[in-house]
Order: sequence, then structure tokens, then C-alpha cells
Amino acid sequence: SSELTQDPAVSVALGQTVSITCQGDSLRSYYASWYQQRPGDAPVLVMYGENNRPSGIPGRFSGSRSGNTASLTITGAQAEDEADYYCNSRDSSGNHNYVFGTGTKVTVL
Amino acid sequence: QVQLVESGGGVVQPGRSLTLSCAASGFTFSTYGMHWVRQAPGKGLEWVALIWYDGGNKHYADSVKGRFTISRDNSKNTLYLQMHSLGAEDTAVYYCARAQGRPSHYFDRWGQGTLVTVSS
Repeated sequence: SSELTQDPAVSVALGQTVSITCQGDSLRSYYASWYQQRPGDAPVLVMYGENNRPSGIPGRFSGSRSGNTASLTITGAQAEDEADYYCNSRDSSGNHNYVFGTGTKVTVL
Repeated sequence: QVQLVESGGGVVQPGRSLTLSCAASGFTFSTYGMHWVRQAPGKGLEWVALIWYDGGNKHYADSVKGRFTISRDNSKNTLYLQMHSLGAEDTAVYYCARAQGRPSHYFDRWGQGTLVTVSS
């Protein structure tokens, strides 16, 4: 089955820009979706498809893909963006399974 | 508004069974695929299972295949996860999530989760 790899942790100064990456072979075939999870809360969808934000997600969140890597960028990070972020995509091994990335803890300094 | 409410979690002994439910409201449940996702304490998200909108197709993670069964009752707007032969590795918060998108789903709505603890 596919795997999606993320950096365990990144930090960003308040108001600066940070990109979170997600690597995996399945991303050559399928777009990633991205989820924000604050402590004690359920995950929340923040990005899907080529670069689509659900209603209510701030415009400082953007997404992109290149080859086997998907990226979620926060431009002008805010304190409330401090959370764990997970990517997800369909498994590319021919079944209809799904896989989550290993997760990235974003700290806003 | 869209709402997903899980229930059925609790403490269960190793080797025993448990069934989780996810009550859906605020949307036409019968037209959406649904997933179960779990999260062990202090760990990341793990995809568990998918059921198509009509229950006609089901898919499972290797870690639960043969032990877990996903099902739905569209007349009751409810999703289920039957879990058998539970082990400590199944201890987690279990979330149901609504599927959107093709050919790869994304999960646009999540429940609040229900905690399953496997312990003697």
C-alpha cells in the first residue's frame, strides 16, 4: 500500500510563511487533501483538489502539487494556525483504499 | 446543518466485539460515501474503511480487514462499524467522515469521535 511522508514538525514566526510537504507515489495520480487538527478536536478539511479551500477556511491557506509532492502553504501564519496537519490521498496500488500522511506539527512562534 | 454523531465507544476486553454507530443529519445521507478513520492516543490519523453511498462496495485497511465490517442503513441515516477480535492496537478515537470528490475522496465533514479502549 502507499505511504505519505511528512516532516514531523515545523515552526513559523507570526505573520510569516510556512509550507508543509507531503511525499508519496500516490500523489502522482491523485490530489492530496489536507486536514488541520487542534488538540482535542476532530480534524477539519482545509484544502482539497488542485487548490480548493472549503467555505470558512482563510485565504492564507493554499495548496499545490509537483510530481510526487503536495504542499500546503500558510501565508501570514496566525496563532490559531498552530495545529497538526495531515495530508491524505487515495492509494495508488489499484484498490480504493486511502492513506494519511504521518502528520506535521506546526508551531507559530 | 450537516452533523455526524458517533456513539458506541467504551472499554472492551481483548478479543471481544463492539459496534460503533454514526448518526447523520442535515444532508441526503444516501447519496454520499462514508468513511471511518481512527486515531490512537498521541498518534496520527489512520484510515479504516469506506462504504459507497448504496452500500454496494466496501474497502478496508489491511490492519482491520477480516475483523471489521462497515455497513449502513440509509433508511435510518446511520453508518456502522462492527469490530471483532479487538486488540490493544485498536484502542483509538474513531471518527466517521463524509466523502466528497472523485476519483479521490476528501473528507469534508467529520464527527466528534468516539473513544474505544481495549483493555482487560
